Amino acid sequence: QLQLQESGPGLVKPSETLSLTCTVSGGTIITSSHYWGWIRQPPGKGLEWIGSIYYSGNTYYNPSLKSRVAISVETSKNQFSLRLSSVTAADTAVYYCARELWRYYFDLWGQGTLVTVTS
Amino acid sequence: DIVMTQSPDSLAVSLGERATINCKSSQSVLSSSNNKNYLAWYQQKPGQPPKLLIYWASTRESGVPDRFSGSGSGTDFTLTISSLQAEDVAVYYCEQYYTTLGRTFGQGTKVEIK
Repeated sequence: QLQLQESGPGLVKPSETLSLTCTVSGGTIITSSHYWGWIRQPPGKGLEWIGSIYYSGNTYYNPSLKSRVAISVETSKNQFSLRLSSVTAADTAVYYCARELWRYYFDLWGQGTLVTVTS
Repeated sequence: DIVMTQSPDSLAVSLGERATINCKSSQSVLSSSNNKNYLAWYQQKPGQPPKLLIYWASTRESGVPDRFSGSGSGTDFTLTISSLQAEDVAVYYCEQYYTTLGRTFGQGTKVEIK
């Protein structure tokens, strides 16, 4: 069955760029029915949607993060990626990738990866 | 942004009893074009990612036990667990996807065993 797995550095220095990749296995990222999204969760807190991408490269972002976020897709590798620039301690969180039915709800999630911003 | 407010923040329910979680949106998430409420419920157990339970406010995801049900329309929604089981201990989140450029989650409701 389809699975998503996040990967990337667990530590990032303040003011630098956080980079994560989500690898989709057991199926293709090229599907007309789905977007692919990133959501984060600071330790002990709630969920915040970051942004989403279609296999064609069409993106939409959380307006509160838009100036710092870039999501890209690499269909040949069945992956999509997140870049978040100028990070601060407030960006410390578990970052999840997820499959989104069209631009509706998230029906499948990765296990998540903790990224800590620290000098 | 549409603000999603859940109540209560936490609740303790005896095994086999009913658990009710409320979610209120700051504006309607009911679409007049298709008469659907753009609201989902997720369950998050400790150390795990969220899991989709309910979408379109009341449609149960495949494989979700029928003791979970969603109801409501417009701005007021409810997730009900009809007979609480030990494995239902988790934090539950509502999410609106009506405004996809500003999709938002509720703050979460923690369900525990009394």
